[in-house]
Amino acid sequence: EVQLLESGGGLVQPGGSLRLSCAASGFTFSSYAMSWVRQAPGKGLEWVSTIGSSGEITNYADSVKGLFTISRDNSKNTLFLQMNSLRAEDTAVYHCAKSTCGASTCYRFDYWGQGSLVTVSS
Amino acid sequence: DIQMTQSPSSLSASVGDRVTITCRASQSISNSLNWYQQKPGKAPNLLIYAVSNLQRGVPSRFSGSGSGTDFTLTISSLQPEDFATYYCQRTYTTPPTFGQGTKVEVK
Repeated sequence: EVQLLESGGGLVQPGGSLRLSCAASGFTFSSYAMSWVRQAPGKGLEWVSTIGSSGEITNYADSVKGLFTISRDNSKNTLFLQMNSLRAEDTAVYHCAKSTCGASTCYRFDYWGQGSLVTVSS
Repeated sequence: DIQMTQSPSSLSASVGDRVTITCRASQSISNSLNWYQQKPGKAPNLLIYAVSNLQRGVPSRFSGSGSGTDFTLTISSLQPEDFATYYCQRTYTTPPTFGQGTKVEVK
């Protein structure tokens, strides 16, 4: 059974940093691209970033480019999102999601985690 | 960026009703269109990929159609567990944009 479990969310002040993790199990992690998708309270889904299966190629939404960094550790089946210079508009539940193939542009997400809430507020 | 517009934003329906949700792209996206269902407090769930292909385990009352810029998700006979929010998503290019969502509520 595929499982994706996010952690690392919490309350952070504007301008602060946070690192999210997503522990994956139930599939060959190193074979699939992985992504972060966020959802602000009461709002819709917003794609944030995708990393290819090898970790060499990444893609970002314009809204987070240069501020967030996606990475992965295939030896530990774990996906990360380093978030710097956080702003109030980054407040959201952050879901990790598994793609159906390995390319960094593989955007069909067949499994999702329950999400980790990030609140940016003073 | 290519924008995805869903209609309606919400609808009220009864169990057994046929429900249709529309998703329109601001330019042609070929067949790169997926549909997700999300229930409150839960993760999204992939229903249909590449316009009309049913994801494994999804009931056959769900179907998708369309091409180019106009796409449709149809629920042939609404069941109690189908009350949720539905999102279309294009995957043709980066960024993979989602529609704003359609909330299906109890009438």
